[in-house]
Amino acid sequence: KQEVTQIPAALSVPEGENLVLNCSFTDSAIYNLQWFRQDPGKGLTSLLLIQSSQREQTSGRLNASLDKSSGRSTLYIAASQPGDSATYLCAVTENAGNNRKLIWGLGTSLAVNP
Amino acid sequence: SQTIHQWPATLVQPVGSPLSLECTVEGTSNPNLYWYRQAAGRGLQLLFYSIGIDQISSEVPQNLSASRPQDRQFILSSKKLLLSDSGFYLCAWSSRTDSPLHFGNGTRLTVT
Repeated sequence: KQEVTQIPAALSVPEGENLVLNCSFTDSAIYNLQWFRQDPGKGLTSLLLIQSSQREQTSGRLNASLDKSSGRSTLYIAASQPGDSATYLCAVTENAGNNRKLIWGLGTSLAVNP
Repeated sequence: SQTIHQWPATLVQPVGSPLSLECTVEGTSNPNLYWYRQAAGRGLQLLFYSIGIDQISSEVPQNLSASRPQDRQFILSSKKLLLSDSGFYLCAWSSRTDSPLHFGNGTRLTVT
């Protein structure tokens, strides 16, 4: 049974720091992995989607990597800003079916302090 | 560009009352549509998904139902709410299973 773990559960850093959020999964047979951001009381915003054949994806100050063999993905945030404060969630899709049955981590709550 | 609208943002309903949450997508056609529920400390749970009009699949047995009367409209309903139906409900869409999943802003439902 696939399980997704995100460590740490919470992180507080000063503005300007580069930081890494971790996501691990127990079964390497995934279809893709997606990183999301969620602001308090709001929906989720898709940040990056990495297909199983890809190693990394980049968008602006964000870079997500995927190592299927070790069951790990990292989200790298460069030069963090207070506006980056949110909960970051990763989710894996196990197959190409339409049900999009994502397996979710519980998220890392990030606080970037000015 | 594509947008997804979900309403209402918050809802307080008594036990036994009906429920209707609506979600619409703009700027795309024939999207895959999804209803999720998010519970504190438990992650997101897929409730329903739809690949086309009147094509609804349920992931978990429960007190809720879903309908898709139009291509870009997805409705979550209940005839009689239970206390356990309280939660944060999220609608989402994607164009294909290998494309990103995009979420609405969610509805916070409190059943009293």
